[in-house]
Amino acid sequence: AQSVTQLGSHVSVSEGALVLLRCNYSSSVPPYLFWYVQYPNQGLQLLLKYTSAATLVKGINGFEAEFKKSETSFHLTKPSAHMSDAAEYFCAVSEGGGADGLTFGKGTHLIIQP
Amino acid sequence: GAGVSQSPSNKVTEKGKDVELRCDPISGHTALYWYRQRLGQGLEFLIYFQGNSAPDKSGLPSDRFSAERTGESVSTLTIQRTQQEDSAVYLCASSPKILMEQYFGPGTRLTVT
Repeated sequence: AQSVTQLGSHVSVSEGALVLLRCNYSSSVPPYLFWYVQYPNQGLQLLLKYTSAATLVKGINGFEAEFKKSETSFHLTKPSAHMSDAAEYFCAVSEGGGADGLTFGKGTHLIIQP
Repeated sequence: GAGVSQSPSNKVTEKGKDVELRCDPISGHTALYWYRQRLGQGLEFLIYFQGNSAPDKSGLPSDRFSAERTGESVSTLTIQRTQQEDSAVYLCASSPKILMEQYFGPGTRLTVT
């Protein structure tokens, strides 16, 4: 069965600093991996996805993530944090067939300090 | 174009009552998913539809939960005899086909008193 672990329920960074949100997964087959963002009082929005093409995936708003099979990781990064990045971030995994939908991590709340 | 819409946006109900939550997917999306998000928790997958068919209902929390989809469009999630532990945000998502990215609606916040 697939699972996702997001390290750190809350991450605080200063505006302009590097953002690093950690995600590790377990999957019995090559996975599809996703990062979603949820802004306050809004629905989930897809940031980026990995579907077995390039291991470094670029998404919206300057975010990117790198798939590392040896580490079973898909960490999300952004070189310079902006106040508007404050939100809840969810990592998700899907195995072949999609019969189990997406399995989500518990989320990481990103706080941006001025 | 129009995104995924859900109604109602908020629902407060008394314990023991039945509720029906509605999801309108993006037009042309064949796959539709329901998730539950409890306060402070990640999303919990409930059920998915490929067309009008739901191949696997094992993700539904109990037999009080049921879902249907008609015309490869609207879906309803019904919770019978609601309990306080059913309080959560219920999210619907659709995608053009299985394994493609899912587009989420704004959710229905259900509060059972």
